[in-house]
Parts: sequence; structure tokens; C-alpha cells
Amino acid sequence: AQKITQTQPGMFVQEKEAVTLDCTYDTSDPSYGLFWYKQPSSGEMIFLIYQGSYDQQNATEGRYSLNFQKARKSANLVISASQLGDSAMYFCAMREGLRGSYIPTFGRGTSLIVHP
Amino acid sequence: SQTIHQWPATLVQPVGSPLSLECTVEGTSNPNLYWYRQAAGRGLQLLFYSVGIGQISSEVPQNLSASRPQDRQFILSSKKLLLSDSGFYLCAGRGDRGHRGYTFGSGTRLTVV
Repeated sequence: AQKITQTQPGMFVQEKEAVTLDCTYDTSDPSYGLFWYKQPSSGEMIFLIYQGSYDQQNATEGRYSLNFQKARKSANLVISASQLGDSAMYFCAMREGLRGSYIPTFGRGTSLIVHP
Repeated sequence: SQTIHQWPATLVQPVGSPLSLECTVEGTSNPNLYWYRQAAGRGLQLLFYSVGIGQISSEVPQNLSASRPQDRQFILSSKKLLLSDSGFYLCAGRGDRGHRGYTFGSGTRLTVV
């Protein structure tokens, strides 16, 4: 079974609007971390945001916020005020603590295109 | 802060030829290191990870191997490349204390012809 599921292969958003990228995860480990990465066409992986399983508040990093719903096992990325430079692939990832040896597992990604 | 250096950026190799991709780490000691492969338009597949010198764990059976001869060096190798080895190879390391992300190198795009 897939540990990270990203159901949106592609998303389109108008510049300056907000967009939500979906991510659901599957784990029985009580200690885990969730990440989002951005991959522009150059291929580099850019760390965006992290949410720990014990964190009480949703993580925020500038225009990025993570909508963490633990009971639903979802960790959606919200990008506010989209910019043209946000066009890229976005990957959700999870590392499991006790059982997973802290190895990150990635979803298949969502391609985001921001229109002017 | 941790920096991952990876080279070469692009590589075209014939089927049956050997492969050696090198990854070095700057800024931290004793990092956990990972090799991932990304097929076109797909997610990242974990190939190998290492928690220390000489310690390699393989996640996927294939004709690739990895070695960690030094604390900050992680090498991906093959004796004979297959067409299916084509892809984008990324080296990653676990970040500094307090930074809970993983740092990636800039990747090697391998085409086997």
C-alpha cells in the first residue's frame, strides 16, 4: 500500500490566488514527520515546510502553510498569493520515526502551473 | 548548514558500461545519506541509505550498488548499466539539528543508450 498519496497529477491556479495541494498518508507509527518539497524544472528539491506528528499547531513558512488533519491522515499544502515562480512539481513526503528508520517516503507529486 | 554536492549533472552512457556517481557532504558530520531515483514524471524511489561508514542498506533489488568509504562520501555504482537505469538520481542527507528537512544535491540526469 502507498504510504503517501497525492491524488492531483496537475493543478492550475491564477496568479495571486491561493491553491491547496492534497496529500494523505498511511502509517501506524505514532512518531512521524511530514514534509513538502518543491521541484522546479531544474530538478533540485527545495524543502518548503515540515509538520511533526506531535505538533499541536499547523506549520507555516511564509506563503506556505500545512493543513494538518491527524484523524483524517491528511497534510495538505496551502500556497497563498500564488506567484509565477511557484510553477513546479510539489512532493509530499513522510518519514516514520520508530519503525521507519527516519527514511523519507515520497508521493508521486503534483504539477502546479500558475497562470498570469 | 548542510550542503550536498553531486556530480556529474548529466551523463549519457551506453548499455553495459559501468557507472559511478559521487555525492559528498559539507557542513555536518556523520549524516544519514540516501540515494533516490526519479523516473520521468514520477516520484522518488529510495535506492540505498547509509547511517555511517561502510553501512549500506538496499531498498530495491537491482544491478546498482552503493558504498560509503568516508563519512561524507556516498557513491552509487553499477558494473553494467541497463536501459532501465535511466533516470534522475538524487543524493540526500538528513539536515542539521533543528532543521527537520532533508537536504538534496542538484541531481544527475542519467541516460542509458
